[in-house]
Amino acid sequence: KQEVTQIPAALSVPEGENLVLNCSFTDSAIYNLQWFRQDPGKGLTSLLLIQSSQREQTSGRLNASLDKSSGRSTLYIAASQPGDSATYLCAASNNAGNMLTFGGGTRLMVKP
Amino acid sequence: NAGVMQNPRHLVRRRGQEARLRCSPMKGHSHVYWYRQLPEEGLKFMVYLQKENIIDESGMPKERFSAEFPKEGPSILRIQQVVRGDSAAYFCASSPEYRSYGYTFGSGTRLTVV
Repeated sequence: KQEVTQIPAALSVPEGENLVLNCSFTDSAIYNLQWFRQDPGKGLTSLLLIQSSQREQTSGRLNASLDKSSGRSTLYIAASQPGDSATYLCAASNNAGNMLTFGGGTRLMVKP
Repeated sequence: NAGVMQNPRHLVRRRGQEARLRCSPMKGHSHVYWYRQLPEEGLKFMVYLQKENIIDESGMPKERFSAEFPKEGPSILRIQQVVRGDSAAYFCASSPEYRSYGYTFGSGTRLTVV
């Protein structure tokens, strides 16, 4: 059974810092891995999708990497802004690609 | 493209009533997934459907919960005889035929059982 863990559970940084959010998964037989952002009381916004054959994806100030063999993914946020404050979720897709297992999330607070 | 549409956004039900949650997938998406987020817990898979078929319901509670995705109209998640423990945010996601595009989630329905 897949288990996804995110560390740290919460993070508070001053504006402008670069930061790394960590995600680990126990079963490397994944189809892809997706990073989401969730604002309080809102839905999930997809940030980056990494296929199992890829090593990383980039979108603006965000960069996500994937190391299947070690069961790890990281989300790198450059030059953080207060608007980045949210909960960040990683989710590993099973090999059939029809089910996501979510981590518990990292609650990020970026202080002005 | 309106994205994944869920309604209602908020739903209040008394214990013992029925709750019906609706989800319209993105245009062109034929796969629908339901997830539940209990208070202070992570998102958990409930069920995966294609048009007129339940493909995987391994995450669905055995009693009181059912889901459908008819040929016409939205997908429905139905909870009969709701209890306080059903209070949660219920999210629907959809994907196209080709899995590599990942999932698009709706804004969720927040169910409160009083």
